[in-house]
Amino acid sequence: AQTVTQSQPEMSVQEAETVTLSCTYDTSENNYYLFWYKQPPSRQMILVIRQEAYKQQNATENRFSVNFQKAAKSFSLKISDSQLGDTAMYFCAFMIALYGGATNKLIFGTGTLLAVQP
Amino acid sequence: EAGVAQSPRYKIIEKRQSVAFWCNPISGHATLYWYQQILGQGPKLLIQFQNNGVVDDSQLPKDRFSAERLKGVDSTLKIQPAKLEDSAVYLCASSLDLRSRYEQYFGPGTRLTVT
Repeated sequence: AQTVTQSQPEMSVQEAETVTLSCTYDTSENNYYLFWYKQPPSRQMILVIRQEAYKQQNATENRFSVNFQKAAKSFSLKISDSQLGDTAMYFCAFMIALYGGATNKLIFGTGTLLAVQP
Repeated sequence: EAGVAQSPRYKIIEKRQSVAFWCNPISGHATLYWYQQILGQGPKLLIQFQNNGVVDDSQLPKDRFSAERLKGVDSTLKIQPAKLEDSAVYLCASSLDLRSRYEQYFGPGTRLTVT
């Protein structure tokens, strides 16, 4: 079975600073996707960034980047130049890359509540 | 394009009562998911539809939960009878099809409180 662990329940960062959120996962699969989702108080889950396991290059989306260490099963999110609007719950999630009609459910961690301080 | 719509946004019921949630996915999205998010936890998949067929309902408590997706568009999730532990946010998500499975778009969720 696949599991996702986020060991930081809460984090705080000053505006314009950089913060890194940690995530580890466990799987015996070789082909999978990893995600970071943002959930603000409005509850809407918003995809921040996605990483395909077969890609060695770390994904980057503007101020958001990941450090993907496949051997260590680690997937951290770095937010640069933090903004007040980044305040939210951040979830790390895992999905097996299956084909042919199999389920593609997301398996989520317990989340990290990030507070950006002015 | 319009996002995933859900209603109601909030619902408060007493235990043993029934409740239903509605989801309208993004137009043209064949795959629809219902997730349950208990306070302090990440969402957990309850059921996944591909058009109007069930792909995965292994974590759906079938003695009290039911879901349908008639005509492969809108979906309803029902709880009958509700228990205190059903208090959670129920999230609906959709994706274009199984080939674009990683692009799941979420609705705003329905917060259910069972008293």
